[in-house]
Amino acid sequence: DSGVTQTPKHLITATGQRVTLRCSPRSGDLSVYWYQQSLDQGLQFLIHYYNGEERAKGNILERFSAQQFPDLHSELNLSSLELGDSALYFCASSVGASRLGSPLHFGNGTRLTVT
Amino acid sequence: QQQVKQSPQSLIVQKGGISIINCAYENTAFDYFPWYQQFPGKGPALLIAIRPDVSEKKEGRFTISFNKSAKQFSLHIMDSQPGDSATYFCAASKAAGNKLTFGGGTRVLVKP
Repeated sequence: DSGVTQTPKHLITATGQRVTLRCSPRSGDLSVYWYQQSLDQGLQFLIHYYNGEERAKGNILERFSAQQFPDLHSELNLSSLELGDSALYFCASSVGASRLGSPLHFGNGTRLTVT
Repeated sequence: QQQVKQSPQSLIVQKGGISIINCAYENTAFDYFPWYQQFPGKGPALLIAIRPDVSEKKEGRFTISFNKSAKQFSLHIMDSQPGDSATYFCAASKAAGNKLTFGGGTRVLVKP
């Protein structure tokens, strides 16, 4: 068990809808990362938050947004959903933002299916 | 732009054999190279990691070999066991932060 908790485990929704994925990092970890895993794109970095502030953005669509709250949990909001958004969404946490070699610990993901 | 290329995409090995997975990177600013293991229905889990000042690192049956001049690194799984059947990802990050760039993954199947 990595200590990173993601909810829900599964989510089925229709095109055009909006969903929120939630992540609770490991105790003591200040950084939260979101990744998307699809069959054809592999693991793609979406966004990184450190202690409530956005630190880096990757291949995140404008329809997607995220935030990290004062209690350090994070939410990833996906709106105007399309079929191609169906994927596994992983959250990872680490101790710091720029500490070399601080390992990322991944949760078990949220499987999103858009119908 | 795929900055970390991983091969092969899949691998079948007999129990007791050696599994070898290779990765190549382009960005010379990468300074940390971990390998992750992922089982179905689970998130990736850190297996072993190396920095470019070391050419080899061994942890149990898992060994990373690193060639800085060739910008390549590889994972060797010695005495492969059926329980090692999983998808393996190499990754890389820059010294300034922990954002990981992942390779495409290798699905390893160890036959008993």
